[in-house]
Amino acid sequence: NAGVTQTPKFQVLKTGQSMTLQCAQDMNHNSMYWYRQDPGMGLRLIYYSASEGTTDKGEVPNGYNVSRLNKREFSLRLESAAPSQTSVYFCASSRGQDHPTDYGYTFGSGTRLTVV
Amino acid sequence: SQQGEEDPQALSIQEGENATMNCSYKTSINNLQWYRQNSGRGLVHLILIRSNEREKHSGRLRVTLDTSKKSSSLLITASRAADTASYFCATALTSGSRLTFGEGTQLTVNP
Repeated sequence: NAGVTQTPKFQVLKTGQSMTLQCAQDMNHNSMYWYRQDPGMGLRLIYYSASEGTTDKGEVPNGYNVSRLNKREFSLRLESAAPSQTSVYFCASSRGQDHPTDYGYTFGSGTRLTVV
Repeated sequence: SQQGEEDPQALSIQEGENATMNCSYKTSINNLQWYRQNSGRGLVHLILIRSNEREKHSGRLRVTLDTSKKSSSLLITASRAADTASYFCATALTSGSRLTFGEGTQLTVNP
């Protein structure tokens, strides 16, 4: 089992450029999440999707959009990158749908994004 | 603000010693989870303790939960150099569908 796969692993963008971070899980999980991790701030939730076809904002959604393409894939898009979006981005999944936090999350290995 | 806060922020011990990390939170929870993150990697789920449980074990890990004090502790016994990592607590609120993570404790186990 690959678990949660994120691509790319590293990316450098110029301010104003756009990009999509890809995430796919092969565990038939219902819920998927995007977090960002910054030094001294822990992990902050950007968006989540409790099931295919639904998405909801998390703690820090501004500047991001998401798509739950199907049950396996949940992508995060930066339309116009800003230096404040320099961070490490993690995708995670959980098998629960109505109560996803009743289970542990499975995380990908992260995308390290630098916006210059 | 973060729901969970770990203490200490950093901990350095010798191999073979026990390591204790604490997590405090602010509001009622459904469960509390602990995760480990090795440098440059994603988080790995270690253990989940529900609000009606007081203690849970998994191998060399022991987690306690005191809902009256709104706190939890993670004990790693007989630590190894491979335990060097950041450890995060995450809380699941009584109602809600997301985990809220603390800022983590950086554990260094010296050989």
